[in-house]
Amino acid sequence: DTAVSQTPKYLVTQMGNDKSIKCEQNLGHDTMYWYKQDSKKFLKIMFSYNNKELIINETVPNRFSPKSPDKAHLNLHINSLELGDSAVYFCASSQVNNEQFFGPGTRLTVL
Amino acid sequence: GNSVTQMEGPVTLSEEAFLTINCTYTATGYPSLFWYVQYPGEGLQLLLKATKADDKGSNKGFEATYRKETTSFHLEKGSVQVSDSAVYFCALSSGGGADGLTFGKGTHLIIQP
Repeated sequence: DTAVSQTPKYLVTQMGNDKSIKCEQNLGHDTMYWYKQDSKKFLKIMFSYNNKELIINETVPNRFSPKSPDKAHLNLHINSLELGDSAVYFCASSQVNNEQFFGPGTRLTVL
Repeated sequence: GNSVTQMEGPVTLSEEAFLTINCTYTATGYPSLFWYVQYPGEGLQLLLKATKADDKGSNKGFEATYRKETTSFHLEKGSVQVSDSAVYFCALSSGGGADGLTFGKGTHLIIQP
């Protein structure tokens, strides 16, 4: 029944490692997004994909690489993790110009 | 560019008090406006939305009216409950296709019994 799901919910790793976060939506939406929420709760768009095509790539380091194998999935791969990457990452989906539905978030902690 | 400004928290109220959380925005064109709520340890849930001037969004006793002349979308509730304790985010979408939401910094609301 979950509309937008993310795995894992928690991710603890060492600096320099590579990790991935997966996102799936079963709402039939065309557009998916990744947001980063910092320790002060501020939310900022990172990427958006429409029909598997990258639409938005905000000023995110190229260590972050989104991949959309199909319309229902948008994964986030992060290379060479840094301390400043610690945050909660939210996936979301929408039909174009409609409200966005958010996943439960993945709390990434880089040690 | 787009921006959203909302009152900083935390806002602490007693149960049954009247709530207002101010939100103003800067955007090109005619944005859609949203209020999202984040309960502790959870993701964001859409609380209400308005897509054009003078629209009023409402849900669960919360209301907000899209005021183009004052570029505002203030959130109100007549009588808050302890269960309303959460972080509230005002956001806008400029409607240019698959654009992301621009969020305010969030307002932490604490309701005391």
